[in-house]
Amino acid sequence: SQTIHQWPATLVQPVGSPLSLECTVEGTSNPNLYWYRQAAGRGLQLLFYSVGIGQISSEVPQNLSASRPQDRQFILSSKKLLLSDSGFYLCAWSVRPPGTVGYTFGSGTRLTVV
Amino acid sequence: SQQGEEDPQALSIQEGENATMNCSYKTSINNLQWYRQNSGRGLVHLILIRSNEREKHSGRLRVTLDTSKKSSSLLITASRAADTASYFCATEFDNSKLTFGKGITLSVRP
Repeated sequence: SQTIHQWPATLVQPVGSPLSLECTVEGTSNPNLYWYRQAAGRGLQLLFYSVGIGQISSEVPQNLSASRPQDRQFILSSKKLLLSDSGFYLCAWSVRPPGTVGYTFGSGTRLTVV
Repeated sequence: SQQGEEDPQALSIQEGENATMNCSYKTSINNLQWYRQNSGRGLVHLILIRSNEREKHSGRLRVTLDTSKKSSSLLITASRAADTASYFCATEFDNSKLTFGKGITLSVRP
């Protein structure tokens, strides 16, 4: 069966520090991968999506970047965190092409920038 | 930008009652999906309805889609306290992206 792992679960980082969040998928090949951010009381904002290794599409220009070094690995990074980067970050995967079944989400990372 | 807008923003019902949540969207879609999120957790996919479908059932869930009105509804029948969660509609109009609404907070009182 397919599983998605996302870590860490919580993170408190000072302003200006770097960030690396990792997401891995097991039990499937060639997934579409996604990073979403959820601010308090708001819906999910799509940050990045990837349809293949090294293929990253950015939805919102900001202080973050994403990379897909392996087929089932998706990394969200920042060189210098801002206070506004605080939020709940969710990784998700879908079959390719999507549209037949829903997305599967990881359990999320609660990031607090102080 | 957010494609889906859920209504109401919050809903409180008694256990055993039915819960109806609505979603409106703005552009043409390939499919519409509903997700559930328990507090502080990831989202769980509930049901997907394609643009050429009008109604779909899954257990106690019933989803309808009206593409002429660009709207969908999610009905949870015979609600339980365990149904307490946030519910999101999401639309897919590009074969690579899912766009979410702000969500509905459902509280089911025992």
